[in-house]
Amino acid sequence: KQEVTQIPAALSVPEGENLVLNCSFTDSAIYNLQWFRQDPGKGLTSLLLIQSSQREQTSGRLNASLDKSSGRSTLYIAASQPGDSATYLCAAPNSGYSTLTFGKGTMLLVSP
Amino acid sequence: EAQVTQNPRYLITVTGKKLTVTCSQNMNHEYMSWYRQDPGLGLRQIYYSMNVEVTDKGDVPEGYKVSRKEKRNFPLILESPSPNQTSLYFCASSLSGWPGEDYEQYFGPGTRLTVT
Repeated sequence: KQEVTQIPAALSVPEGENLVLNCSFTDSAIYNLQWFRQDPGKGLTSLLLIQSSQREQTSGRLNASLDKSSGRSTLYIAASQPGDSATYLCAAPNSGYSTLTFGKGTMLLVSP
Repeated sequence: EAQVTQNPRYLITVTGKKLTVTCSQNMNHEYMSWYRQDPGLGLRQIYYSMNVEVTDKGDVPEGYKVSRKEKRNFPLILESPSPNQTSLYFCASSLSGWPGEDYEQYFGPGTRLTVT
């Protein structure tokens, strides 16, 4: 079964910094990987879905990369803002199944 | 507005009293799923449904039931809730859930359940 690990568990940065969130997975036979954002007490918002045929996906200040061979994905946030403060989760499918395994998330705090 | 809705948003109940959490989506999605989120354990999948009348177990199905009689609705049923089912529950949907198909999952706002 897929295992997904996110490092670091928590991150605190001043506004304006560029930062990288890491996600690793054990089963590289994935066809995509999805990044989500969760605000306290709220549901999950999909940020980016990277297909296995892609190596990167970009949306505004967010850029996600996928390296299946090494079992890693990174989420790069450029010029961080206080509004980026949230928990970021990555999710990878379980090979051959219609289910997802989530990492435990990285809690990001961006200070003004 | 395209969305996944859940009701109720908050629920406090007692052990053994049957309850249903409703989930509805207006995006004509085939795939629907239920997750629970617990501190230190993260999000875990309870049940999912590939389409109407087709459901299957996720990682933590014990103590839960689901049904998919209509495409848009996927209720979660707790026949005899216990305190260890106190959790934050999320419903999600996507256009398809078949392995190899690339569709984003959309999540509802969550239902916070407390069983005393």
